[in-house]
Amino acid sequence: DQQVKQNSPSLSVQEGRISILNCDYTNSMFDYFLWYKKYPAEGPTFLISISSIKDKNEDGRFTVFLNKSAKHLSLHIVPSQPGDSAVYFCAASERPGYALNFGKGTSLLVTP
Amino acid sequence: DGGITQSPKYLFRKEGQNVTLSCEQNLNHDAMYWYRQDPGQGLRLIYYSQIVNDFQKGDIAEGYSVSREKKESFPLTVTSAQKNPTAFYLCASNPRDINQPQHFGDGTRLSIL
Repeated sequence: DQQVKQNSPSLSVQEGRISILNCDYTNSMFDYFLWYKKYPAEGPTFLISISSIKDKNEDGRFTVFLNKSAKHLSLHIVPSQPGDSAVYFCAASERPGYALNFGKGTSLLVTP
Repeated sequence: DGGITQSPKYLFRKEGQNVTLSCEQNLNHDAMYWYRQDPGQGLRLIYYSQIVNDFQKGDIAEGYSVSREKKESFPLTVTSAQKNPTAFYLCASNPRDINQPQHFGDGTRLSIL
């Protein structure tokens, strides 16, 4: 049973605008959440993480928001750039440093 | 440069054969993981190891086996019991109990001839 869900398989955004990628989870024991970016035939690259004691974490153009009561997190990319076009995976674990549960990914296309 | 090396990049297997995928890391990480990715799917956990000489089954361990004789190495064997082995296999590692993300290798694509 999928414990981490990304309900939008794809998203298209114009360059310079905001990209918002969403993720929901069902396991209330999850305590650590991450976003990865992936290109075809390559391994995922870590983008940003957040622990459950926070509701927001920011790193440059990337911000992750966590709403524990709704079991929902989102990744905001501002401004979006064509190089951001990739598949984005949401992941969660019960503790940092432990096995991750991944969503199915959202394919982001940023158009010029 | 520190990192995770998976080899080979592409691998072909005949029906009924076992095949072993290599994963080596020089990051001094305690924990290592194997994931499988299928088209349109997320990454699913096959096996993981938190320390040398110990490993645990993940969500889809049937038809796979692993060993962890050295900290740096975590090879995955895809056995003939795995009925649908064609997939993209990813190895990852991270330090234990520290707020650091998993780092991934570049993957091995396994195909059945």
